[in-house]
Formats: sequence, C-alpha cells, structure tokens
Amino acid sequence: QLHLQESGPGLVKPSETLSLTCTVSGASISSSNYYWGWIRQPPGKGLEWIASIYYSGSTYYNPSLKSRVTISVDTSKNQFSLKLSSVTAADTAVYYCARHPGGDWFDPWGQGTLVTVSS
Amino acid sequence: SYELTQPPSVSVSPGQTARITCSGDALPNQYVHWYHQKPGQAPVLVIFKDSERPSGLPERFSGSSSGTTVTLTISAVQAEDEADYYCQSTDSSGNVVFGGGTKLTVL
Repeated sequence: QLHLQESGPGLVKPSETLSLTCTVSGASISSSNYYWGWIRQPPGKGLEWIASIYYSGSTYYNPSLKSRVTISVDTSKNQFSLKLSSVTAADTAVYYCARHPGGDWFDPWGQGTLVTVSS
Repeated sequence: SYELTQPPSVSVSPGQTARITCSGDALPNQYVHWYHQKPGQAPVLVIFKDSERPSGLPERFSGSSSGTTVTLTISAVQAEDEADYYCQSTDSSGNVVFGGGTKLTVL
C-alpha cells in the first residue's frame, strides 16, 4: 500500500528557507506517469498547490510561488523535497505531499506537517 | 488568475441528498476532482475525472458535469459525511487550482 510521509522542521524563522522531504513507501517513485506534488493549507483556510515533479525531474510550479520554490526528487532514496525561500508568517501552514497521477488529481496524501514561521 | 467557485456551506439532514457545486470558466475543457477533509486529517480523494469513484468509496458519492459547473452529489447523507469538500482542476496552462471549499453540515 502506497504511503507518503512528510518530514522537516516545524519552526522556521522569517526570511529563512523552509525545507521539507516526502518519503514514499510501498511503491517506487519512478513509477510511470506519476507526478509527485506539494500542497499547503494555512490554519483555518483552503488548499493551495505549490509544485509538482516527475521522477525524471520535470517540474511545474504555482506561478504565485514560483520565484521562491524549488522541488526536487531523489529516486535512490524514494523521496522528493520542497524548498521555500524567504518565508514570512503567511507561509505558516500544514504542508502535504501527495502522488499526482498524470498531473491530474492527488491521491494518496501524506498526513501533513505543520510548519510555523516565527522568530 | 483562474478560480473555482464553491458555496461556503451546505446543510442537509441525515438520509437526504447533498449537492455541492464547483464553477469555473474552463471546466467544459478540464476535469474536476473532489476531496473531503475531516478536521485534523489530510484530504481524501472521493471523485476524479468529474465522475469516477476511487475503489472502496461508497456508491453514495457521485459526480456530474454540465457546462461550467460540476456537482458532487452525496446520496443518503450520513453523519460521517460531515466534512469540508474541495474541488480541484487545472487551468489552461496546466497549473493546479483548488476551489475555496464547502463545509457540509449534517443537521
């Protein structure tokens, strides 16, 4: 059964870089036709897509975040990662990783990890 | 930027039918996918490609599309269906977009 798990610091200082990793188990991240994505949800608010990546390294980003976001994949570790630079309090959110078949829907999702931006 | 519009809230009594809409100009040409999210939990896919149901999901959940509006229908609503529901699609550039979410309350 496919399982995704986010990991990374729960607290990041303003202006620093947020770094998260998603570890995939139960399937190879190199499986054909699957993108892998990051989505976030500020407390009490809706969902916002951040970025997605194919196992080959092909990427696409939310235009509103593109200048600050880097998504990468490490097939040897069956992981993909997110970096968000120059964070502010507005970046405080639960960050989810998910499989993104064909770049269409997201399924399944990781349990999510809360990242708080605060000094 | 492209937006998907959902009603903020829908309320139904147990056993009734709940309908949650999602509207967007590009929807005649793009699929919509639906998720439910219970408090403190991750979203779960309930409908993909407008009307396809993932294996294991109750048949009470169905989806339909008409022009610029897509509808998630939940028949014979149960208390356990109370959750936030989000639609998701893509814009003409392939960027992912989520609707603002609808809170389904089971009275």
